[in-house]
Amino acid sequence: GQNIDQPTEMTATEGAIVQINCTYQTSGFNGLFWYQQHAGEAPTFLSYNVLDGLEEKGRFSSFLSRSKGYSYLLLKELQMKDSASYLCAVRDSNYQLIWGAGTKLIIKP
Amino acid sequence: DTAVSQTPKYLVTQMGNDKSIKCEQNLGHDTMYWYKQDSKKFLKIMFSYNNKELIINETVPNRFSPKSPDKAHLNLHINSLELGDSAVYFCASSQGGSGSGANVLTFGAGSRLTVL
Repeated sequence: GQNIDQPTEMTATEGAIVQINCTYQTSGFNGLFWYQQHAGEAPTFLSYNVLDGLEEKGRFSSFLSRSKGYSYLLLKELQMKDSASYLCAVRDSNYQLIWGAGTKLIIKP
Repeated sequence: DTAVSQTPKYLVTQMGNDKSIKCEQNLGHDTMYWYKQDSKKFLKIMFSYNNKELIINETVPNRFSPKSPDKAHLNLHINSLELGDSAVYFCASSQGGSGSGANVLTFGAGSRLTVL
């Protein structure tokens, strides 16, 4: 079967750095996505990786290793507004998105 | 100006009733989706439409029926509502094809359905 694993919850301090991991087992791979979802709101697109390596976008970076079936989202200079759930999703060989359950990130002052 | 709009935002109804949720996108996207997000926060794909053709239909009860009058609209109709249907339903859209833009979803704000 297809599976996306992420930690259920993480806590970090304002101003710090946090890394949210995602491991996947899917039938084929055509890209990995990270979305942010604030409580009671819609998910919003953060990043897309299809080749190995690091993609940087401001305070957020996303890394992919296809051979390890692994990705992480790195958030730097954490702000209180970064408190949200972070969803990892993989596009499989049929170009269908397989979603993880999300990681709830709690930022403390 | 809203890219993906869905109505209603909240819906409280009794078991056995029939209800509809409407969705419209003004992004010119080719594909629209309905997702269900339950209390455990899993996003589960229900349907997607590409150019008015159903291209995904997961193991969803046939009480749920998508209706797309045109590529900018994808409505969700639910018959004989059950307690387990209580969830947040998200409409989304994306451009077609297999490039990086495909599957970059733009979501609506969600419709919270509560079945009593």
